Amino acid sequence: DAKTTQPPSMDCAEGRAANLPCNHSTISGNEYVYWYRQIHSQGPQYIIHGLKNNETNEMASLIITEDRKSSTLILPHATLRDTAVYYCIVRVYTNAGKSTFGDGTTLTVKP
Amino acid sequence: NAGVMQNPRHLVRRRGQEARLRCSPMKGHSHVYWYRQLPEEGLKFMVYLQKENIIDESGMPKERFSAEFPKEGPSILRIQQVVRGDSAAYFCASSPPGQGTGELFFGEGSRLTVL
Repeated sequence: DAKTTQPPSMDCAEGRAANLPCNHSTISGNEYVYWYRQIHSQGPQYIIHGLKNNETNEMASLIITEDRKSSTLILPHATLRDTAVYYCIVRVYTNAGKSTFGDGTTLTVKP
Repeated sequence: NAGVMQNPRHLVRRRGQEARLRCSPMKGHSHVYWYRQLPEEGLKFMVYLQKENIIDESGMPKERFSAEFPKEGPSILRIQQVVRGDSAAYFCASSPPGQGTGELFFGEGSRLTVL
């Protein structure tokens, strides 16, 4: 797996966009970027994934730079319930189960 | 549509006892993964199983730990002769057969406390 680097913590005001960065400078051409989050020690929850194009779903948007060496997860209107640890994982999707979860970014959404 | 079910949610064992953790994957899913999360740490992959087969156990400790996913019934993670260092949250995840999207569906975890 490509190594990822995330800031350990971030704050965001409720209702504002939360932008969570991830560096993955050693990513290979066939590796996807996955984002999960873990709310208060619950089971991790899948958010979104992408290869090279920007992606959007009902939860978030994923912006991947053209050289694919970094990406940003965007929560457009953060709520208090979005407070969680966010994990950026880079992996070929054929065996995504053997994912390496690093330390992630602890996002705290404040009122 | 029930998600990944894990039980027990909490388990307390004394040193030297055995712990058995069970995981029922989502309906239609044939791939099961076990992860361990030590206090204040990220999730660490332990083992990947398909029905009746261990596909990848590179993250399993060499001794005392075993996993199975029988033809019928849940996947079981078994820890023999538990020690205090085994205290952790154990998460199970499942995914459908075939390539899919690579998305994992996690259970709520089983929290083992070793006294």
